[in-house]
Amino acid sequence: KQEVTQIPAALSVPEGENLVLNCSFTDSAIYNLQWFRQDPGKGLTSLLLIQSSQREQTSGRLNASLDKSSGRSTLYIAASQPGDSATYLCAVSSRGSTLGRLYFGRGTQLTVWP
Amino acid sequence: EAGVVQSPRYKIIEKKQPVAFWCNPISGHNTLYWYRQNLGQGPELLIRYENEEAVDDSQLPKDRFSAERLKGVDSTLKIQPAELGDSAVYLCASSETGGALWTEAFFGQGTRLTVV
Repeated sequence: KQEVTQIPAALSVPEGENLVLNCSFTDSAIYNLQWFRQDPGKGLTSLLLIQSSQREQTSGRLNASLDKSSGRSTLYIAASQPGDSATYLCAVSSRGSTLGRLYFGRGTQLTVWP
Repeated sequence: EAGVVQSPRYKIIEKKQPVAFWCNPISGHNTLYWYRQNLGQGPELLIRYENEEAVDDSQLPKDRFSAERLKGVDSTLKIQPAELGDSAVYLCASSETGGALWTEAFFGQGTRLTVV
């Protein structure tokens, strides 16, 4: 069974810092990897999708990389802002019998203070 | 373009009572998912539909949970009877998939269920 781990579980930083959130997964036979943001009491907002054949994706201040062979992805947030405060979830879609099922980590709870 | 719409947003019920959740996916998305998210955890898949067919329901507790997706569009998820341990956020998601194409999954706001 695919296991997804996110480190750190929580992060508190001052505004303006560049951040790195880490995600690791146990089965490298993935179809794609997706990063989500979740605000308190809300659903998930898709941030970036990386296909298994890609190495990275960028959207504004966000950059996500994927190293499938080592089972790792990182989400880089540049020049963090208080509005970035949320929980960030990593999810992988595995190949094989459970194709289409997203396996989630527990998330990294980010707080950016002014 | 409207996103994934879920209702209700919140539901409080007594244990042993039935409850139902409704989901309207993004127009044109053939794949619909129901996930459950316990406090402090990532979401876990309950069931996945491709059009009208449930193609992955191995994690759905079938003794008390049921789901349907009529005409391959809207979906309902039902719990009967509810137990205290069913308290969680129930998330619906949809994506456009076909053959080797797997696109982003888009999630609704979720329904927060509290069983007392």
